[in-house]
Amino acid sequence: QVQLQESGPGLVKPSETLSLTCTVSGGSISSYYWSWIRQPPGKGLEWIGYIYYSGSTNYNPSLKSRVTISVDTSKNQFSLKLSSVTAADTAVYYCARQGSIAVAGRDYYYYYYYMDVWGKGTTVTVSS
Amino acid sequence: DIQMTQSPSSLSASVGDRVTITCRASQSISSYLNWYQQKPGKAPKLLIYAASSLQSGVPSRFSGSGSGTDFTLTISSLQPEDFATYYCQQSYSTLTYTFGQGTKLEIK
Repeated sequence: QVQLQESGPGLVKPSETLSLTCTVSGGSISSYYWSWIRQPPGKGLEWIGYIYYSGSTNYNPSLKSRVTISVDTSKNQFSLKLSSVTAADTAVYYCARQGSIAVAGRDYYYYYYYMDVWGKGTTVTVSS
Repeated sequence: DIQMTQSPSSLSASVGDRVTITCRASQSISSYLNWYQQKPGKAPKLLIYAASSLQSGVPSRFSGSGSGTDFTLTISSLQPEDFATYYCQQSYSTLTYTFGQGTKLEIK
């Protein structure tokens, strides 16, 4: 059974770079997309971005200028870097696997994506 | 960006009640709609994907329906463990996933 575990500093100073790693255990990182999601205290969920095991990425436009997601298949890990952080970046950060199903259409397949395995989350506070 | 709006934002109900939560997309998203349950201090849990497919291990009292812009999550008979916050999420735009603001389901 696949499990995800986030790790990284719980406290980051304003203007510095937040760095987190998600370790995948019980399965391979290959052949999946992997996402980062965050949740500010008392608020809803915000998707940050995802990476395919091959290294292709896609980021939330609202964070794109500050976000980098990378993958290390040899370690079965993927990572998040968020630069120039402010107090607004204080949140619980989750990593998640994107599962998918393919449904045959008339001319091609339709792929439905969803986040089916989540880490427990790690709290990151931005404060001096 | 595709905006997702849930209603109501909060809901009080009793054990055994039938409950429906609605999610509306700002444009058509076909059936690219997922539902998650989140309990305090825990990670979200996938309940429904592709609008109406029940995730493995999720009780059959949960069901999803809809397509286009309007979707519903129904709990046929509320159990004590169902009191939580529920989120919808669109995966139609694979460039930008968006979540609804959440619906908090509380005990009456």
